[in-house]
Amino acid sequence: DTAVSQTPKYLVTQMGNDKSIKCEQNLGHDTMYWYKQDSKKFLKIMFSYNNKELIINETVPNRFSPKSPDKAHLNLHINSLELGDSAVYFCASSRPGRGSYEQYFGPGTRLTVT
Amino acid sequence: SQKIEQNSEALNIQEGKTATLTCNYTNYSPAYLQWYRQDPGRGPVFLLLIRENEKEKRKERLKVTFDTTLKQSLFHITASQPADSATYLCALEMAGANSKLTFGKGITLSVRP
Repeated sequence: DTAVSQTPKYLVTQMGNDKSIKCEQNLGHDTMYWYKQDSKKFLKIMFSYNNKELIINETVPNRFSPKSPDKAHLNLHINSLELGDSAVYFCASSRPGRGSYEQYFGPGTRLTVT
Repeated sequence: SQKIEQNSEALNIQEGKTATLTCNYTNYSPAYLQWYRQDPGRGPVFLLLIRENEKEKRKERLKVTFDTTLKQSLFHITASQPADSATYLCALEMAGANSKLTFGKGITLSVRP
């Protein structure tokens, strides 16, 4: 059983298009995240939701809009795609609460903007 | 400025030796530090978590230390195997940071038979 799943695995699109990436977790976690890993392999947090509420919003262009229809899903919509958006996007989830908890990552979505 | 450094981009060792990976940080006061493994084309996988008041944590062949004075964490893999070849990422979390992890760039470990 896949714990954190993302679709699609690969996404190739042209500049200016709008695209979405979907994420689902079946771990019963309340907290979900979106990360971006660029060509230099830096993994940076973009957003975090706790039980459908946005709790972390890093300095991300407002062309990126996360949406959480329920606590098991966190989708990422990107408007007006740019070349610099090309990267691997990872969804993750974890337990909420005080202290630090391990994060479970999805397999990633490789976005290529041409 | 805040910085997380993993001491080299790549480490090559012989099977059976101990691999030691370093994570240094500046201008952070993390309450927690986590280590992840990432294989090519896959998402990171959690390995170990250590708190600021813990000096050392072990799990099977893995050991992590956390020195808040030196601002450094060491990650050891004993009796290394070719299957341990991967990229290893350290991640810091501040107290009360809403589970926000800040990742280092990672070190790619290659274990040759």
